[in-house]
Amino acid sequence: QKEVEQDPGPLSVPEGAIVSLNCTYSNSAFQYFMWYRQYSRKGPELLMYTYSSGNKEDGRFTAQVDKSSKYISLFIRDSQPSDSATYLCAMRPRGAGNMLTFGGGTRLMVKP
Amino acid sequence: DTEVTQTPKHLVMGMTNKKSLKCEQHMGHRAMYWYKQKAKKPPELMFVYSYEKLSINESVPSRFSPECPNSSLLNLHLHALQPEDSALYLCASSQPRGASSYEQYFGPGTRLTVT
Repeated sequence: QKEVEQDPGPLSVPEGAIVSLNCTYSNSAFQYFMWYRQYSRKGPELLMYTYSSGNKEDGRFTAQVDKSSKYISLFIRDSQPSDSATYLCAMRPRGAGNMLTFGGGTRLMVKP
Repeated sequence: DTEVTQTPKHLVMGMTNKKSLKCEQHMGHRAMYWYKQKAKKPPELMFVYSYEKLSINESVPSRFSPECPNSSLLNLHLHALQPEDSALYLCASSQPRGASSYEQYFGPGTRLTVT
């Protein structure tokens, strides 16, 4: 079993829809959680960064962490075709140096 | 400014060639990373430099040789690569361990093809 599980998709939604992307993890020591967006053949772009449990909002994006369930989510409101990309979750324990554990990525397609 | 730059964008090399990939950041980060990413897979960590010293080598073959000349620059020297080394090579940077935040910022990558 992988430490971080993420549905590979593809997830196809119409423009304007609310998108929910999720990761589950098994290591209860994970404390820092990140979401990256990666366009085809480009480097990952950091979208959201959260510490421990709770919600964080930035524009159309909301990141949620539920440590009791070992479950994190990224919500995208009013999705746009430009949001079509692969979304990677990443996480790391506190005090574990600099190593991130990535999910496999979910490919999102937003259709006009 | 959260920009990490990488050169070249694309590189095609033969198995007997020697080439180098370059990475630069001006965010004052003291940790820098090399990752390898194959199609439809997440990035795989290769090396970590912290304060210009190699701190993590994820059992990478010796045909990959990293170098950190100063706190802003990171190189990856390539020699005698194999076709299976063809991938997107990503550089990233962050504050080092002990800092208040650890988020890693990635460059655009170098797409390497080994023929």
